Amino acid sequence: SYVLTQPPSVSVAPGQTASITCGGDNIRSKSVHWYQQKAGQAPVVVVHDDSARPSGIPERFSGSNSGNTATLTISRVEAGDEADYYCQVWDSSSEHAVFAGGTKLTVL
Amino acid sequence: EVQLVESGGGLVQPGRSLRLSCAASGFAFGDYRMSWVRQAPGKGLQWVGFIRSKMYGGAPDYAASMRGRFSISREDSKNIAYLHMNSLEAEDTGVYYCARDTADDYMDVWGRGTPVTVSS
Repeated sequence: SYVLTQPPSVSVAPGQTASITCGGDNIRSKSVHWYQQKAGQAPVVVVHDDSARPSGIPERFSGSNSGNTATLTISRVEAGDEADYYCQVWDSSSEHAVFAGGTKLTVL
Repeated sequence: EVQLVESGGGLVQPGRSLRLSCAASGFAFGDYRMSWVRQAPGKGLQWVGFIRSKMYGGAPDYAASMRGRFSISREDSKNIAYLHMNSLEAEDTGVYYCARDTADDYMDVWGRGTPVTVSS
């Protein structure tokens, strides 16, 4: 089955830019989706289809996908962005959803 | 308002069964594939499986580790999806979420989850 890899943690100071990576074999051939999960809450999609933003998600959240790595970028990080972030793809060979292990974003 | 509400979780002994429900409102439930995702305490998200809409045959499918003990069904007349869990193990402890799948294979609406604890 398809495997996705994220760094366990990323730390960033307020106002700076956070980059969270999601690695997978030739991931550029897949659509990557990103979820934010704050403590005690359900996940919320913040970026879908590599770089599309749902309504209500700030422009500070953006995504890209190239080669073997997709990236979620959060510009001008705020304290309220502190959360766990998960990338997800659809594995067409198994017709299953696949999540990576998640990255805890800490705002210093 | 588009909403999903899970229920049916609780404390259950190892080896027993449990049925979780996911009540949908605010959208045409029957038109959507519905997924279940679980999260063990302190761990990440794990896709459990989904059930297709009737338009696409209505069949479920499961993550390999769930196949055999878990089954998903739906009752479109009541706007409810179910997750039936059998022979529960301590490792099944966690919060179980239902989510609405989009045509682009991501989950755009999530419930708040229902906690399941498997313990004697």
